[in-house]
Formats: sequence, structure tokens, C-alpha cells
Amino acid sequence: AQSVTQLDSHVSVSEGTPVLLRCNYSSSYSPSLFWYVQHPNKGLQLLLKYTSAATLVKGINGFEAEFKKSETSFHLTKPSAHMSDAAEYFCVVNLRNSGYALNFGKGTSLLVTP
Amino acid sequence: NAGVMQNPRHLVRRRGQEARLRCSPMKGHSHVYWYRQLPEEGLKFMVYLQKENIIDESGMPKERFSAEFPKEGPSILRIQQVVRGDSAAYFCASSPTSEYEQYFGPGTRLTVT
Repeated sequence: AQSVTQLDSHVSVSEGTPVLLRCNYSSSYSPSLFWYVQHPNKGLQLLLKYTSAATLVKGINGFEAEFKKSETSFHLTKPSAHMSDAAEYFCVVNLRNSGYALNFGKGTSLLVTP
Repeated sequence: NAGVMQNPRHLVRRRGQEARLRCSPMKGHSHVYWYRQLPEEGLKFMVYLQKENIIDESGMPKERFSAEFPKEGPSILRIQQVVRGDSAAYFCASSPTSEYEQYFGPGTRLTVT
């Protein structure tokens, strides 16, 4: 079975400092991995995706993630947090080898303080 | 291009009633997915549909839940005889193909009293 674990349910950073949201996955085959963001009362928006190309993936709004097979990790980072980054972040792995049927982590709530 | 639309955004039902959740995919998208988010949980896949076909319903509870995506009109997720455990946020996503990025709607928050 394919699953994903987000190691922190809440992360708090100061504006302008780096962001690190941690994610580990388990998969019986080479997975596709995603990070989605959800702002309050909004739909989920795709930040970035890994699909077996470059291991360092760049996404929108300055976010990036690195796929590390040896560590089964796909951590999300951003060099400098902005107030507008405050949201819920989901690490996601595909359940099938075909890309649909996504399996979401429980989410990490990012708080950005002035 | 409007995004994925879901309505209603909030739905309150008493135990035993029926709940109907609607999802209009993005223009040009013929693939629809439903997910459920229970409190303190991540989203869980429920069902994958194309126009007039259910492709994968392996995540759907065996009883009381059904989904359809007719040739015309929105996709419908139907829950019969709701129970308190059905209280959750239900998200719909759509894509132009099954291999493409899924675009999510804002969700329907179902509360069963």
C-alpha cells in the first residue's frame, strides 16, 4: 500500500525565515508525489509535483521539494516565508501506478508570524 | 475559465435524511474524482468517474453511498440515510485526463445532526 506521513501537524515560522515541512512516504513502486496547499475556505491548489524526472522540484510561490529515495522523503521548503504562505499543506502520493486516486497526508498547518 | 464548482458549500442533514453533493468540473475536463476529509484526517479517495462511467469506486463505502457523472450536468455524490459518521468535508476534483493534474473544488462541508 502507498501511504504518506507528514511529521508535523503545526509549524510556526517568522516572516522572512525559512520554511521546512516534512513528509515521508511508503510505496511499492516509484511514486508520483505532490504538495498541495489549502487556504481557508478555498479549494486545494497544486504547489508542485514529482514524477520521476529531476529530484529537485520547483513549484509556485518560491516553494521547492527534493525527492530522496534513500530516505523516502519529499520535504517542502521555501527560503523566506511570507505572511500569505499561512495555510494548510498536504503531502500526497498516488495510490495507483496510473496517477489518479491520490492519497493525502493529514496536513501541516503553517503559521507565519510578523 | 471557472474552476471546479461545488454546491452547496455547507449542508446540514438530520440522521436518516439524504444528502446530495454536486460537482461541476472545469470546462473541458471529463474526469471527476471525489474525496472525503474526516476531522483531523487527510483527504481519502472515494471514486473516480468519467462521463456516464464509474471507473474506480474502491474507496466508496459499500452501502448508502453512490456517485454518478451523467452525460449532461454535474457529478453527484449521493449519501442515503446519513449518519453522524458521515459528517466530513467532501472534495471534488477534475482533470482533462487521468494522468494530468487534478484541480480541486472548495469542498462541501456536510454536518449530520
